[in-house]
Formats: sequence, C-alpha cells, structure tokens
Amino acid sequence: AQSVTQLDSHVSVSEGTPVLLRCNYSSSYSPSLFWYVQHPNKGLQLLLKYTSAATLVKGINGFEAEFKKSETSFHLTKPSAHMSDAAEYFCVVSDLALSNFGNEKLTFGTGTRLTIIP
Amino acid sequence: DAGVIQSPRHEVTEMGQEVTLRCKPISGHNSLFWYRQTMMRGLELLIYFNNNVPIDDSGMPEDRFSAKMPNASFSTLKIQPSEPRDSAVYFCASSLGGPKTYEQYFGPGTRLTVT
Repeated sequence: AQSVTQLDSHVSVSEGTPVLLRCNYSSSYSPSLFWYVQHPNKGLQLLLKYTSAATLVKGINGFEAEFKKSETSFHLTKPSAHMSDAAEYFCVVSDLALSNFGNEKLTFGTGTRLTIIP
Repeated sequence: DAGVIQSPRHEVTEMGQEVTLRCKPISGHNSLFWYRQTMMRGLELLIYFNNNVPIDDSGMPEDRFSAKMPNASFSTLKIQPSEPRDSAVYFCASSLGGPKTYEQYFGPGTRLTVT
C-alpha cells in the first residue's frame, strides 16, 4: 500500500527566508510524486511532479523538490519565501504498480499550512 | 483552456433536500475524479471515472451519494437526502488517464452547507 506523511502540519517562515516542507512516502513499487498547493478558498494547483526522470524537479513559482529514494523523501523547497506563498501544501503519491489502466488513485498527505511572516 | 468547471460554487440547503453538484472536465481528459474536503478528514477520493465508466467508488460514503458521467464533458454528484455531516467542499478533477500516472487538474470546488 502507498502512503505519504507530511511531517509538519504548520510551518512559519519570514519573507525572504528559505522554505522547507517535508514529505516522506511509502510505496511498494516506483512512485510518482506530486506537490499541490491550495490557496484559501481555491482549488488545488499542481506545483511540480516527479515521474522517474530527473530526481531534482523544478516547479512553478520558484519551488523545487528532490526525490531521494534512499530516504523515501520528497521535500519541497524554495530559496526565498514570498507573501503570496502563504497557502496549504499537499504531498501526493501514486504507485506506478497500481497505476495501470483503470486505477489512478492518488494518495494525499494531510497538508502543511505555510505562513509567511512579513 | 477554461480548466475544470464546477457549479454551483456555493450551495446552502436544508437537511433532507436533494443536492446536485456538476462538473465539466478539461476537454480531452478521459478520467474524472470527485473528492470531498473537510477539516476533520482532509481530502477524500469519493469516486473516479475513466472513459465515462465508474472505476472505483469505494470512497462513496453511503447510498445517499451517487455519481454519473453521461458523456465525456459532464458529470454529476448527487446527495439525496442531504445531512448536515455532508457539509464540505467538493472538488472535481480531471486527468489524461491511461497506463501512466498523469497529474490531476482540480476545479475551484463547490462549498456545500447543509443546515
């Protein structure tokens, strides 16, 4: 079975400082991993995805994440936080062994709320 | 591209009434997903369709919930009768589907309040 654990439910950083949102996954095969962002009262937007290509993945708005198989981690980072980054962030896993035709379930983490301090 | 379209954006109804939520997926996408989001339970997958066929409805809470996809451009989620515990934000998402994992694109959601 696949699962994902977001290690922090809430992260606060000052504007202009680095952001680190932590995610560990469990997967029986070769996972696809995603980060989604949800701004208040909005739908979820894809930030970036890893699907077995380069382990360092760059996304929108300056975010990036590194897939580390040995650590089963997929942490999200950004060098310098901006006020507009304040939102809820979800780490998501899909197991390719399960993702054959007709089974495309994603497993969502519980979310990390990012607060930016002016 | 207009993205995934959901209607209504907000719905307030009384307990016992029927509620119908609507979704138009992105053109060309052949998989469609219905999710429910609450503070207590987070984001839950209710049901998903591939090529208009329901593939997995194991997340549907009970018989009061039903979903249909009569064609590739339209889906409904119906709750009858509604209860206060159904209050949540309901999201529809679509993806290309198939043998690879494709990212899902989410609509803006429908905020349902049952009084």
